Amino acid sequence: NAGVTQTPKFQVLKTGQSMTLQCAQDMNHNSMYWYRQDPGMGLRLIYYSASEGTTDKGEVPNGYNVSRLNKREFSLRLESAAPSQTSVYFCASSFLGNTIYFGEGSWLTVV
Amino acid sequence: QKEVEQDPGPLSVPEGAIVSLNCTYSNSAFQYFMWYRQYSRKGPELLMYTYSSGNKEDGRFTAQVDKSSKYISLFIRDSQPSDSATYLCAMNFGNEKLTFGTGTRLTIIP
Repeated sequence: NAGVTQTPKFQVLKTGQSMTLQCAQDMNHNSMYWYRQDPGMGLRLIYYSASEGTTDKGEVPNGYNVSRLNKREFSLRLESAAPSQTSVYFCASSFLGNTIYFGEGSWLTVV
Repeated sequence: QKEVEQDPGPLSVPEGAIVSLNCTYSNSAFQYFMWYRQYSRKGPELLMYTYSSGNKEDGRFTAQVDKSSKYISLFIRDSQPSDSATYLCAMNFGNEKLTFGTGTRLTIIP
């Protein structure tokens, strides 16, 4: 049971570099999410996609872009990484919005 | 003021004790309430999900919701070292977006 799979698990970027976090789910869920988790701030929603072809901003969307490639895949792109984007990123999915399943996380450091 | 407040802890209790974890919230429109458990360097996993006021029990875990006081709790009976984790409360209006508490780090001492 793979569930929600995200890659890479660890990444170090230099300020100004770009990168894409990949996420795929095999549970046939309609909704997918990207969260970031920071000490003392909890989980904050960056973007979400209620269905294939739609995306909406969450609480902290600035500096990020997303693509819902198909029902399975939802990617998060940092076009010009900043140190403030150092965080742990979680992809998640759900069929009904209340039961959200998370991936294992991606640790990103921007230097 | 944050919409959801949760004591960050850390909280340390001896094995076998009853643990009480709590969250308060400010928006009375929240309808669904969840508790997630997160082990170190792992993603959160759903532990309990409740809708109405009252108690919901699942094994050693009991989730309690008091909508009149805007207060939710998670009780862990007969706590085990394997319960050591960060516990996150979460809630929403019935739509797709969850609002999370900051999490309480719990350690069960053998």
